[in-house]
Amino acid sequence: EPEVTQTPSHQVTQMGQEVILRCVPISNHLYFYWYRQILGQKVEFLVSFYNNEISEKSEIFDDQFSVERPDGSNFTLKIRSTKLEDSAMYFCASSEFDRASTDTQYFGPGTRLTVL
Amino acid sequence: QQQVKQSPQSLIVQKGGISIINCAYENTAFDYFPWYQQFPGKGPALLIAIRPDVSEKKEGRFTISFNKSAKQFSLHIMDSQPGDSATYFCAASINSGTYKYIFGTGTRLKVLA
Repeated sequence: EPEVTQTPSHQVTQMGQEVILRCVPISNHLYFYWYRQILGQKVEFLVSFYNNEISEKSEIFDDQFSVERPDGSNFTLKIRSTKLEDSAMYFCASSEFDRASTDTQYFGPGTRLTVL
Repeated sequence: QQQVKQSPQSLIVQKGGISIINCAYENTAFDYFPWYQQFPGKGPALLIAIRPDVSEKKEGRFTISFNKSAKQFSLHIMDSQPGDSATYFCAASINSGTYKYIFGTGTRLKVLA
């Protein structure tokens, strides 16, 4: 069964450093998302991406964040200058472009980001 | 208005019992309500989902009950098993072009053997 994959599974970085989290969505999916989950809290929407542009972003997704689809398969989240409060699990998700099934998002296993 | 309220925060059920988790929302524009199951260290996995045009959906031991007028929906896990021990999130989305999910706060379920 197709699945969303994410790398790395765990990233440790120093405050102020840039990190890039990588995702490979399911191949025929056209909507892509990033969510984050701070330890023990709920999953929060960060950004949605369709047709090579951001379709919506949350207030969390400030100028330090950016997303990119550099090729036909990868979808990346970049944090330019990490802060301690960026420590969280980051989930990538994707969905098809079909009204009957677009709503269903498939989540990757996540990248745990630890900012020291 | 974008919130989804979920209760209880944690739940302990005996093996074979029924687990019930409740969610409530305010925004009547929500039109898709999935439930996700999450094991520690893993990503959320879709369990079952419902649209507001039906009042109930059943898949195996999992049932969603939906009350449109009360703006509430719930997950029932029949014959709960220790393997069901996980965190369960309800969510809601709007057919607005982005389909982003608004998640509930999660329920940590423990099923005792």
